[in-house]
Amino acid sequence: GAGVSQTPSNKVTEKGKYVELRCDPISGHTALYWYRQSLGQGPEFLIYFQGTGAADDSGLPNDRFFAVRPEGSVSTLKIQRTERGDSAVYLCASSLAALGGELFFGEGSRLTVL
Amino acid sequence: QKEVEQNSGPLSVPEGAIASLNCTYSDRGSQSFFWYRQYSGKSPELIMFIYSNGDKEDGRFTAQLNKASQYVSLLIRDSQPSDSATYLCAAKTGANNLFFGTGTRLTVIP
Repeated sequence: GAGVSQTPSNKVTEKGKYVELRCDPISGHTALYWYRQSLGQGPEFLIYFQGTGAADDSGLPNDRFFAVRPEGSVSTLKIQRTERGDSAVYLCASSLAALGGELFFGEGSRLTVL
Repeated sequence: QKEVEQNSGPLSVPEGAIASLNCTYSDRGSQSFFWYRQYSGKSPELIMFIYSNGDKEDGRFTAQLNKASQYVSLLIRDSQPSDSATYLCAAKTGANNLFFGTGTRLTVIP
């Protein structure tokens, strides 16, 4: 596709369940970022990949959050034992290289934990 | 202390006026700065970036950077109702992370 694709667009789950959110970046983009955005707030950095490796995962809030990018393209954000406070829009962005800073964002995955 | 701070607003200006959006950052190692626009319910889109002290103009938009004061601003001239959105300031650190402020909500009144 032409842009960053995120699935699902909406996910409603119950507290304690496991959730996976998928991001398909723009073809050829080596850098991939995950952000979380709550209502009225700016995007909060979670993790950034350069290729297959996590270059910086310092934004992951705790060990319930994990992300992978095994082939350097699609990435999956995994959240274990979800809590109500995890409810937010999870934004994925990709960049041609980790230098220019122009991030192209997907439309986000809205997660609601009941 | 947050990496990037913005006045959350809301900021209201009449159509045709200049809108001034401000941002400060805490990390002196930050190298470049970005302004993103986010319409309600949509994802952020890049408007401008700046990495040298001074002004950078692009159409109706001017970004200003003062590294000594750790201050970045965005001016929107001849504001239009279609400019009504949340404007996010972001700073790129040495580790190639991009940190965003909380955003300033701008409303342009026709």
